[in-house]
Amino acid sequence: QLQLQESGPGLVKPSETLSLTCTVSGGSISSSSYYWGWIRQPPGKGLEWIGSIYYSGSTYYNPSLKSRVTISVDTSKNQFSLKLSSVTAADTAVYYCARLAKVFMVVDYWGQGTLVTVSS
Amino acid sequence: EIVLTQSPGTLSLSPGERATLSCRASQSVSSSYLAWYQQKPGQAPRLLIYGASSRATGIPDRFSGSGSGTDFTLTISRLEPEDFAVYYCQQYGSSPVYTFGQGTKLEIK
Repeated sequence: QLQLQESGPGLVKPSETLSLTCTVSGGSISSSSYYWGWIRQPPGKGLEWIGSIYYSGSTYYNPSLKSRVTISVDTSKNQFSLKLSSVTAADTAVYYCARLAKVFMVVDYWGQGTLVTVSS
Repeated sequence: EIVLTQSPGTLSLSPGERATLSCRASQSVSSSYLAWYQQKPGQAPRLLIYGASSRATGIPDRFSGSGSGTDFTLTISRLEPEDFAVYYCQQYGSSPVYTFGQGTKLEIK
């Protein structure tokens, strides 16, 4: 059974960089059938796709966040990571890592999510 | 950028009733790339429908999806207590970009 687990600080100061890692178990991140991505959800609000990465390292970002986002992959550790720079309170959200199936471009597996609060 | 608008924002129904949720796109969407998710409080979303009308693995047949172009519908034929949740539609477009609707909350009347 595939599992995704987010890890990283739950509190980040304004103007600093948010860093999260997703560890994938029960499956290989090097599968050609999937992308791996990050999606966030501010408290009480809807879902926002942040970006995705292929095992080869090709990346795709939400245009609204592109200038601040970097997603990377480490196939040797079966992990992928998110960096979001210059954070503000508006970046406070539950951050989910996810597997995105190429066939229908849907999120078929989600991590449990991790709340990241931006506050001084 | 394609915008997905879901209606109604909140739907109040009783167990056993039929629920019809709408997702309207600002421009035509490929049916292959329209999906629906269910989210319960404190949980990650769960994939219900992909390709506009195909049920994901393990999803009961009371859930069905339909539509094409700019208008898509999620129907729950007979509501069970566990179906009360928030539902999101999602589309994949060129660029590539994933877009979600703002959600419909299905609450017990």
